[in-house]
Amino acid sequence: GAGVSQTPSNKVTEKGKYVELRCDPISGHTALYWYRQSLGQGPEFLIYFQGTGAADDSGLPNDRFFAVRPEGSVSTLKIQRTERGDSAVYLCASSLDPPPNSPLHFGNGTRLTVT
Amino acid sequence: QQQVKQSPQSLIVQKGGISIINCAYENTAFDYFPWYQQFPGKGPALLIAIRPDVSEKKEGRFTISFNKSAKQFSLHIMDSQPGDSATYFCAVRGGNMLTFGGGTRLMVKP
Repeated sequence: GAGVSQTPSNKVTEKGKYVELRCDPISGHTALYWYRQSLGQGPEFLIYFQGTGAADDSGLPNDRFFAVRPEGSVSTLKIQRTERGDSAVYLCASSLDPPPNSPLHFGNGTRLTVT
Repeated sequence: QQQVKQSPQSLIVQKGGISIINCAYENTAFDYFPWYQQFPGKGPALLIAIRPDVSEKKEGRFTISFNKSAKQFSLHIMDSQPGDSATYFCAVRGGNMLTFGGGTRLMVKP
């Protein structure tokens, strides 16, 4: 079957604008994660959904970042008033159950550039 | 505060050689230790993982060695191939999420 799909693959936006990044997880996967990866760094946890609810949003850097998963499948990461420091690759991952019971499957990410 | 420290940052190995990447962690509550492989433009992909009740796990050319008392674990790639050239991340599980190391960029020379 299809893997985790993220759209768009690239997004260039101006400082101060609003952006939405979309994640389509693997069908049937109840756990969904957003990570942010800066150049030359490891992925950094942002938020974890179990079903429709955000079970852990402790990694969101500030209140400009918000994510939803209204039907327990597709998720959208929303960033308001973007800043140049938000430039990074935003990775989405899903799993059948939270690890270690099942592995995380990552998408290829959305590369966000804030000019 | 870094929860997992990975070394080296980069590594060059000749084809057929052994690649070794190390990770150290602080929190003894971590209970799952995976390694991920990432190619440019792609998301990380699970390579191999270990739980703390086992000291070693081998899958093909890839081996994890785990030292619980030292709070360290390492990835060994035997008979390294040019196709193994990628960035490798260790990770630790705490709660329901993974925390990743900073990554090691491996280059295997033909």
